[in-house]
Amino acid sequence: SSDLTQDPAVSVALGQTVTITCQGDSLTKYYASWYQQKPGQAPVVVIFGLHNRPSGIPDRFSGSGSGNTASLIITGVQAEDEADFYCCSRDINNNNRVVFGGGTRLTVL
Amino acid sequence: DVQLVESGGGLVQPGGSLRVSCVASGFTFNNFWMSWVRQSPGKGLEWVANIHQDGNEKFYVDSVRGRFTISRDNARNSLYLQMNSLRGDDTAVYYCARLRSSSWRYNWLDLWGHGTLVTVSS
Repeated sequence: SSDLTQDPAVSVALGQTVTITCQGDSLTKYYASWYQQKPGQAPVVVIFGLHNRPSGIPDRFSGSGSGNTASLIITGVQAEDEADFYCCSRDINNNNRVVFGGGTRLTVL
Repeated sequence: DVQLVESGGGLVQPGGSLRVSCVASGFTFNNFWMSWVRQSPGKGLEWVANIHQDGNEKFYVDSVRGRFTISRDNARNSLYLQMNSLRGDDTAVYYCARLRSSSWRYNWLDLWGHGTLVTVSS
C-alpha cells in the first residue's frame, strides 16, 4: 500500500520533547519529508531526506527513521510549534508520485 | 523574491471545468519539477500531480487521472492545472509547489504558493 499513517493528534507540555510518527510501506524504500502547517498558511518543509533540516528551521526539529517508520522529533517544544504536521515520501508503487500522511495536530499545553 | 503565486480559483458547477495557474519568480523555473497539492476544507494534504522540467513526463493521483491535466510554459515561468469533469470532492485549496530531489531515495517540496480555492457546487 502507498498509504502513510499518522496519529491524528498529539499533545505536549511546553518545553518538553515530542515525537510524531509516520508509518507505511513507502518508508521501507524511501526517506520521509515533514511539513508544518499553521492555520491559514501554506505548508513549510521542516525536515527532508529523513533528517535534513532546511535553512531557517530551528535545530529543535530533527528526524529519524527505521524500517517502515519515520519520526519527527521536536525537542524543547515552543508555543509557536503548535500546528499540523504531515509526513510525505515517494510512492513505493511509482517513485514519480508522492504520498502524504493524514497529518498530526500538535497541541502545546 | 523567490515565490510562487497561484490564481484562477473560483466557484464552478459539478461537471464543469476550470484552469488554475501558478507563476514562479526568483528562480530558474525550467530547472525544477513542479507539483500541485490540494487540501479540502478541514482535511489533510493530498498530492495531485507532478510534471518534469521539460513538461514531457506527468504523473497523477488516481482520483484525478483522466480528468485533470498538468502543464507548464517555461517561457512564461508558469504552471497550470486544467480541471475537467469537476466533482464536489474536488473542492479544495490548490497549492503549487517546487519539487526538489538530491537522491533517488527522497524528494521534497521546498517552495509553496499561498494556494487558490476551488469550490465545486451548484
